[in-house]
Amino acid sequence: SQQGEEDPQALSIQEGENATMNCSYKTSINNLQWYRQNSGRGLVHLILIRSNEREKHSGRLRVTLDTSKKSSSLLITASRAADTASYFCATVTQAGTALIFGKGTTLSVSS
Amino acid sequence: EPEVTQTPSHQVTQMGQEVILRCVPISNHLYFYWYRQILGQKVEFLVSFYNNEISEKSEIFDDQFSVERPDGSNFTLKIRSTKLEDSAMYFCASRKLQKQETQYFGPGTRLLVL
Repeated sequence: SQQGEEDPQALSIQEGENATMNCSYKTSINNLQWYRQNSGRGLVHLILIRSNEREKHSGRLRVTLDTSKKSSSLLITASRAADTASYFCATVTQAGTALIFGKGTTLSVSS
Repeated sequence: EPEVTQTPSHQVTQMGQEVILRCVPISNHLYFYWYRQILGQKVEFLVSFYNNEISEKSEIFDDQFSVERPDGSNFTLKIRSTKLEDSAMYFCASRKLQKQETQYFGPGTRLLVL
């Protein structure tokens, strides 16, 4: 399977702390995308990192990609209660066009 | 900002009935997708559509499912004879031509089969 698998499954932190989520995958990718989902709601795109990129920033988000280890990490700095959600990584392989999602990390930020 | 829209937001149907889920992708996008998420599980790819034909589909997308782009704006997913296990959130997504473009998701249709 070419799934992304996130780690940890659940993460609880205090407001102001940083949250780091990791994702591993199994096959060669074209790009990797991170999405956020509030409970029972739609998927919001956060950031896309291409296979030839190693790091990307967007506001409080920082994503890294290590294609040799087939892994990515999402760092949310100075977390807020509103960051409470599930976070998914999803990969697009070189061969296909579909997003292959992992099981997600549930982040809970308490104030 | 343009967004993907989906209707209805919720649908309840009896087992064996046909349902049609509707999506309006972003207007200048060329690839269209359906995904589903069974409650508490991960998002699963169903099918992708480009140039008026299916470009890729998963094992889930069997003969009970079909997709159509009946006009220049709508993209539909039909389930011919619903089963209890079809109960899920169904998401439509679209993207521009290049593979390295973001897929934008709609808000989803929550389907409940009784």
